[in-house]
Amino acid sequence: GAGVSQSPRYKVAKRGQDVALRCDPISGHVSLFWYQQALGQGPEFLTYFQNEAQLDKSGLPSDRFFAERPEGSVSTLKIQRTQQEDSAVYLCASSFLQGFGYTFGSGTRLTVV
Amino acid sequence: AQSVTQLGSHVSVSEGALVLLRCNYSSSVPPYLFWYVQYPNQGLQLLLKYTTGATLVKGINGFEAEFKKSETSFHLTKPSAHMSDAAEYFCAVSEGGTGNQFYFGTGTSLTVIP
Repeated sequence: GAGVSQSPRYKVAKRGQDVALRCDPISGHVSLFWYQQALGQGPEFLTYFQNEAQLDKSGLPSDRFFAERPEGSVSTLKIQRTQQEDSAVYLCASSFLQGFGYTFGSGTRLTVV
Repeated sequence: AQSVTQLGSHVSVSEGALVLLRCNYSSSVPPYLFWYVQYPNQGLQLLLKYTTGATLVKGINGFEAEFKKSETSFHLTKPSAHMSDAAEYFCAVSEGGTGNQFYFGTGTSLTVIP
């Protein structure tokens, strides 16, 4: 597609529920990032993939967060046993050339109730 | 370690007035610098970037920014504000190269007064 597509756009989860957020990057883009944006804050790094390899996951806030990109294209961010503090917008970004500015998706707004 | 400070979480300007959004960064290596704009319920859109070369960079929608190493700044300007410029603006820094993450500031909300 022409841009980075994320689904769902909105997700309401009950506390303790597992959720899966999907990112479809631009075709051919090697690099893929996940960011978490809390209300009124700037995005914060979660994890980075180069093709299917997860090269950096230092930003994942806990072991409840897990990301994968098994075929080097679509990526899924999974959050287990969601907590209220997980409520945020989760942004995916991709790029063909690393470090030169990424194309961001519109994000998934997760609300944990 | 890298970080970004955006002075002023809210900026208001009159339509047609100069827009100045401030960004200072901290980086132990030559930085790559970016400005992104975010409209409500949308993702981040790249306005402009500095990697190497000319320190004055021009972006979309009439915005420009100047990299000043001595001041560790990368302020965003636009000579004449338009109503459609009202949005959230984020400055970001990275080390560039392979897979380096972006560090974002906390954002500046720009209001344009008619």
